[in-house]
Amino acid sequence: KQEVTQIPAALSVPEGENLVLNCSFTDSAIYNLQWFRQDPGKGLTSLLLIQSSQREQTSGRLNASLDKSSGRSTLYIAASQPGDSATYLCAVPEGSDTGNQFYFGTGTSLTVIP
Amino acid sequence: DTGVSQDPRHKITKRGQNVTFRCDPISEHNRLYWYRQTLGQGPEFLTYFQNEAQLEKSRLLSDRFSAERPKGSFSTLEIQRTEQGDSAVYVCASRQTSRGGGNYEQYFGPGTRLTVT
Repeated sequence: KQEVTQIPAALSVPEGENLVLNCSFTDSAIYNLQWFRQDPGKGLTSLLLIQSSQREQTSGRLNASLDKSSGRSTLYIAASQPGDSATYLCAVPEGSDTGNQFYFGTGTSLTVIP
Repeated sequence: DTGVSQDPRHKITKRGQNVTFRCDPISEHNRLYWYRQTLGQGPEFLTYFQNEAQLEKSRLLSDRFSAERPKGSFSTLEIQRTEQGDSAVYVCASRQTSRGGGNYEQYFGPGTRLTVT
């Protein structure tokens, strides 16, 4: 069974700092990995999807990397803003087929202080 | 708005009552997933459908839970004889697959927050 771990569980930074969120998974035979954002009491918003053949994916101030061999992904947020405050979750599908179960980490709760 | 809608958004019920939730996926998506999320945790997989066929069920889906997708479009999740431990957010997601399984992202609904008193 795929196990996903996210470190740190919580992070508090001053506005403007660059930061890195970490995600690790136990089964490296994945097709892709998704990063999500969740605001309190709200649903999941997809941020980035990295295919297994990719090493990086970028969207605005966000950059996600994937190292399948080591079972790791990072989400880099540049020039953080108070509006970035949320919980960030990574998710990977079971095995090498994206059709089945998605496994989520427990998330990193980010607070950006103005 | 991802295009996946869920109804109701909030439900408060007394222990022992039955509840039913509805999910409307993105119309062309053939796969539909149900997850459950409790406080401080990521979503946990419950079950999924390929069109109208329910292909997999998690051990989390006890006999009191049943899900349907009768015409391969919307889906319902029913919980019978609710217990306080069923309190959670029930989240629906959908995606499209190609014949080879596909490699597409999942789109998540806003969830239905269930509180069992």
